[in-house]
Amino acid sequence: EAQVTQNPRYLITVTGKKLTVTCSQNMNHEYMSWYRQDPGLGLRQIYYSMNVEVTDKGDVPEGYKVSRKEKRNFPLILESPSPNQTSLYFCASSPRGAPQYFGPGTRLTVL
Amino acid sequence: AQSVTQLDSQVPVFEEAPVELRCNYSSSVSVYLFWYVQYPNQGLQLLLKYLSGSTLVKGINGFEAEFNKSQTSFHLRKPSVHISDTAEYFCAVSEGGSGGSNYKLTFGKGTLLTVNP
Repeated sequence: EAQVTQNPRYLITVTGKKLTVTCSQNMNHEYMSWYRQDPGLGLRQIYYSMNVEVTDKGDVPEGYKVSRKEKRNFPLILESPSPNQTSLYFCASSPRGAPQYFGPGTRLTVL
Repeated sequence: AQSVTQLDSQVPVFEEAPVELRCNYSSSVSVYLFWYVQYPNQGLQLLLKYLSGSTLVKGINGFEAEFNKSQTSFHLRKPSVHISDTAEYFCAVSEGGSGGSNYKLTFGKGTLLTVNP
C-alpha cells in the first residue's frame, strides 16, 4: 500500500530537549516536504526536498532542520524546541511538483 | 512573493445544494494552483490542480475549479454536495518553474465546508 508514515504520532516534550520526527514514504518519490498546521493559519511549509541531498527552506524554517540522506526518509529535527513550535506537523511526498500524499500528522506539544 | 486568500473561513450549505469556495492568489509570475481537502483528524488529499492548458479543471469527488487569470482566482465548485463533503478545504499556489514543477507551496488559511441534512 502506498503510504507516508510519520513517527511519533503524538509527542509531549520540554523546552530545549532535541527531538526528531521521522517521515518515510514507500513510493520512490523524489519530492518530500514538511508543513505545520496551526488554527487560523492553515498550513505553512517548513522545508522541502527535491531529491537526495537537495533541500530548501519553505516559509517558516526557523528552529527546524532536515536531512535527506535516502530517498525514502525525510526527518524533521528540532534542535532546541520552544513552546511556539507546538503544532500539528505533516510530511508529504509526490513524484514531482505539488505534494500528493500526506502522512497522518504528528501532534507536538512543547512545554 | 506569492500569497493566497480564501475569502470565506466557513461555508454552511444544505445537502444537494451547489457550493463555491473562493480562492484568490497573488503572484508576480505564472502560477500553479491546487485545492486540497482535509477530513476531520486526517491528513490532506489533493483534490485537483491547475498547471497549464484548459482553465476548467476537474478533480476527484465531483469537484471542479476554474482558473481565471484576469481575476487571479481559482474558485472550487461542486453542483450538489453530500454530507460526506464536510471537511476543510485549502487552496494553494506555487510559482511556475521550468520543467513544469515548483516546490515552494503557499497555502490559504482554509475554508470549513459544513454540509447539513
